[in-house]
Amino acid sequence: GAVVSQHPSRVICKSGTSVKIECRSLDFQATTMFWYRQFPKQSLMLMATSNEGSKATYEQGVEKDKFLINHASLTLSTLTVTSAHPEDSSFYICSARARQEAFFGQGTRLTVV
Amino acid sequence: AQSVSQHNHHVILSEAASLELGCNYSYGGTVNLFWYVQYPGQHLQLLLKYFSGDPLVKGIKGFEAEFIKSKFSFNLRKPSVQWSDTAEYFCAVNARSGNTGKLIFGQGTTLQVKP
Repeated sequence: GAVVSQHPSRVICKSGTSVKIECRSLDFQATTMFWYRQFPKQSLMLMATSNEGSKATYEQGVEKDKFLINHASLTLSTLTVTSAHPEDSSFYICSARARQEAFFGQGTRLTVV
Repeated sequence: AQSVSQHNHHVILSEAASLELGCNYSYGGTVNLFWYVQYPGQHLQLLLKYFSGDPLVKGIKGFEAEFIKSKFSFNLRKPSVQWSDTAEYFCAVNARSGNTGKLIFGQGTTLQVKP
């Protein structure tokens, strides 16, 4: 199957700083990628749809100025958590579609201290 | 709004027991249906999917699911579980029209299989 790589897998940052998470489709091109957030013992919640060459589409309740998404190429989307706070600590997962199937990155565990 | 509900949050079974995990969805239109599995420390992986046709879908590792349109259900089954099936299971749907890439997930079911 197609491979989606997410980096870093774990990151710890201080409150007030920004963190960038990368999502790459390794063996296919993805015009659209998706960013999810998963709280402990809860489901994946879609945050935004990342569109190559255009602005991301955010789900209701997701602050676009806080969670900056850039999809500069057909194989890379980035999520930047700006001015991070402890409540932003979570597991972030990206996915990309290939052949009518969604492939997921391994996720990034963000801890804000 | 679309929603997905998984009835069982935590299931504990002994090896060789049969498994059924419930999944119901709420959506007025036509949907595609999925079951994903997340083994400890690994990516989400697709177990099986339903787009159209035979409502009984067979997936990997002996799993199957049945789409019952009248009940808005897509329950996951396996006749005999193994210790290696211990994982988190997620049911998901997306709308067949519009942005078909958006997946709406259920809250997940943790399956623990005792050897």
